[in-house]
Amino acid sequence: GAVVSQHPSRVICKSGTSVKIECRSLDFQATTMFWYRQFPKKSLMLMATSNEGSKATYEQGVEKDKFLINHASLTLSTLTVTSAHPEDSSFYICSAWGGQGRSYEQYFGPGTRLTVT
Amino acid sequence: DQQVKQNSPSLSVQEGRISILNCDYTNSMFDYFLWYKKYPAEGPTFLISISSIKDKNEDGRFTVFLNKSAKHLSLHIVPSQPGDSAVYFCAAKEGLNYGGSQGNLIFGKGTKLSVKP
Repeated sequence: GAVVSQHPSRVICKSGTSVKIECRSLDFQATTMFWYRQFPKKSLMLMATSNEGSKATYEQGVEKDKFLINHASLTLSTLTVTSAHPEDSSFYICSAWGGQGRSYEQYFGPGTRLTVT
Repeated sequence: DQQVKQNSPSLSVQEGRISILNCDYTNSMFDYFLWYKKYPAEGPTFLISISSIKDKNEDGRFTVFLNKSAKHLSLHIVPSQPGDSAVYFCAAKEGLNYGGSQGNLIFGKGTKLSVKP
């Protein structure tokens, strides 16, 4: 089946630095990818929709200058957390629609745990 | 305003018995529903889906029921196994039953299932 990978799986960075998270669709092309953030004991919160070759669409309340999204190819989207702060510490998950016919679903990456110290 | 609601944050079931996880939605335009299973620090894993043209979909131990008039769906796991212990998310989208549309999913807050041996 369709596979989505994320790298890195864990990252620790200092306040004020930037961190880049990669999301790849391994065996299918994805014109659209999604970036979610999960807070402890909370649901998945959609941050933005990443569109190949165009600007990302951000959800209300998500700072586009802080969370930079680039979807340079049909298999790669990146999320860069700029000038990270401890409150940015979270679990970030990307996803993409894949599959065919009745098995069409949104596939999720394994997630990236970001800790900002 | 939550469009997808999972009112039970947790559920405990004995091994071998049936687990029933419930989900309600408010948007009558939703026409494709999915259930995901999630372990801590991992991305969600797709379990089963159902489109609005059906009222039941079965896959092994997992069955999803959809009641459109009540805007309610449920996931039945029979028999429940300790390995089923995880957080289960209900998700919905509008636009297409399956295939094509790249719209994002709306998630419920999840129900933590514990299956005791």
